[in-house]
Parts: sequence; C-alpha cells; structure tokens
Amino acid sequence: SQQGEEDPQALSIQEGENATMNCSYKTSINNLQWYRQNSGRGLVHLILIRSNEREKHSGRLRVTLDTSKKSSSLLITASRAADTASYFCATKAPLGGSEKLVFGKGTKLTVNP
Amino acid sequence: SAVISQKPSRDICQRGTSLTIQCQVDSQVTMMFWYRQQPGQSLTLIATANQGSEATYESGFVIDKFPISRPNLTFSTLTVSNMSPEDSSIYLCSVPFSGHGYTFGSGTRLTVV
Repeated sequence: SQQGEEDPQALSIQEGENATMNCSYKTSINNLQWYRQNSGRGLVHLILIRSNEREKHSGRLRVTLDTSKKSSSLLITASRAADTASYFCATKAPLGGSEKLVFGKGTKLTVNP
Repeated sequence: SAVISQKPSRDICQRGTSLTIQCQVDSQVTMMFWYRQQPGQSLTLIATANQGSEATYESGFVIDKFPISRPNLTFSTLTVSNMSPEDSSIYLCSVPFSGHGYTFGSGTRLTVV
C-alpha cells in the first residue's frame, strides 16, 4: 500500500510564484526523498532529507521534515515553466529494514508562463 | 550517480503476448528495483532483483506474470507475460546510489491492445 499522501493532487500557478507541496507518511523512516517526473518519463531525484534533519535546501528547493507529524513539504521558489511536472515523495525504512522506496500519490504541478 | 539505459522506451503489444524490458546500469549494483506506474497513478514496487538469487515480489505480483532475470550486477530484465489491457502502464527500473537517492531508468510505456 502507498505510504505517502501528497497534497494537493494538482497545483497550477503563475511563473515566478512559489509552489508548496506536502507529503504525509505512516511509519518510521530513515529518510524521505522527493522526485520529479516529466510527462510520464523516468524519475529524477531532487533532494533527500534524513530523519534527524528538519530542513534542507538545494538551489530553489526547500524541504522540511516533521517526524512528529510524519509529514514533509517541498517548496519551489520563483517557479519557472520548466518546473511543470509531477512531484513525488518517497520514504525509505529505517536502517536494517527494507531498501525499497515507498511512493506517495504525487502532485501534478503546472507553471503557467 | 549511476546511469541506466532502459529499453524499449515504448511498445504497443497484442493481448496474450509477452514483452521483455531491459535495464543496463553503467556500474555494478547489488539491488535493482522494478516499478509499475499505472495511468495517472504513483509508482508501485513489483519486485526487488538481487544478483544470484530469486527476485523478491511484492504482494499482488507473482513470478509467473512478471518473471525477472538478473544475470550479473549491471543488467536485469522484467517480462510482462500473457498481457491484457490492464497491464498498460509505465514500467521503470531503479537502483540506489551512495545513500543519496535512487536513479531511475527512463521508463517503458506499454500499451496493450
């Protein structure tokens, strides 16, 4: 079964605006990762945040993690039309557990020029 | 990170036939994962392929339907057998890299008619 639940399911914004996507999960994790998928192609790894981290930045991306609430958010600042894609969170079990990723349902982001 | 070459990128197949999808990795990896992404949905893990041992299948997926080969540490195949229209999906392979996330193949878009 799916671990993560993203919201919103779809988000449409204007170029230059910020986009925030949220992810919730159900069980303990080692880390949480965010991926981007363009037009049903392969996934691209964006950022990984470990369970002992609360916030991480990478370029225009900012990820937060609240393990007490079992939730994470992905913020894309100053969005561009090229950011149009589907975004998925994925969780990995604690050390000693499974190596597999469990994906959320995803958020479809549209950035209008 | 590893680079994965996945083939074919897309195919249209007749029901009742089988399709074999290949993934070639440019470095040796212990684990390889196979996912299915049904239209408009998130990724669901089919199985984990380890070199030198039988693949481990997730609930709802069986070896007779999705046989997997892993002859060495850089290559794997997934076969979708006796296809029906319900098998129309994107199929993706994935490998972990250095604790920083996972690399995905570019996906195989399968349509069964």
